[in-house]
Amino acid sequence: GAVVSQHPSWVICKSGTSVKIECRSLDFQATTMFWYRQFPKQSLMLMATSNEGSKATYEQGVEKDKFLINHASLTLSTLTVTSAHPEDSSFYICSARDLGQSAGELFFGEGSRLTVL
Amino acid sequence: QKEVEQNSGPLSVPEGAIASLNCTYSDRGSQSFFWYRQYSGKSPELIMFIYSNGDKEDGRFTAQLNKASQYVSLLIRDSQPSDSATYLCAVQYDQGGKLIFGQGTELSVKP
Repeated sequence: GAVVSQHPSWVICKSGTSVKIECRSLDFQATTMFWYRQFPKQSLMLMATSNEGSKATYEQGVEKDKFLINHASLTLSTLTVTSAHPEDSSFYICSARDLGQSAGELFFGEGSRLTVL
Repeated sequence: QKEVEQNSGPLSVPEGAIASLNCTYSDRGSQSFFWYRQYSGKSPELIMFIYSNGDKEDGRFTAQLNKASQYVSLLIRDSQPSDSATYLCAVQYDQGGKLIFGQGTELSVKP
């Protein structure tokens, strides 16, 4: 299947700092990428849809100014958690859709585990 | 509110048995259905997708879809301890690609 790479895998930061997570589609172009968040023992919650060359579409309840998304190229989307607080500690996972695949299924990055001290 | 419901389990089956995982969804307009497997601490990996009523088989896995009942299931034959993971049902409602996930069913296969 298609390959989606995420970086970093782990990040620990102090409260109040900002953290950037990168998501890259390695062998296909992704006009759309999706950012999910997962708390322990819970399912994936969609945060936003990242659109190449335009503004991201955020799900209800997700703060746009808190979670900045930039999709500057067809292979890269970034999520920046601004002024992070301990409650932002979570597993952040990006995904992308390879339109060349038969059902347009989503492929996930490895995930980024954020711990805010 | 579009919802996807799964029995959170845990579901425990002996090695070699059939594991049956179930999922219901709320929106009749749903188009495609996906099963992902997630090991602890890892991101989800795609097992199967299905978009037509009936059964779809891939190795030891069979996905079943019944749109009239808004029900999709995953059967795992000859379950192995390595199948122990959380299985996530995901539903795609439109062509935009956005998936809504169920809460996941934890499967434990005992040797």
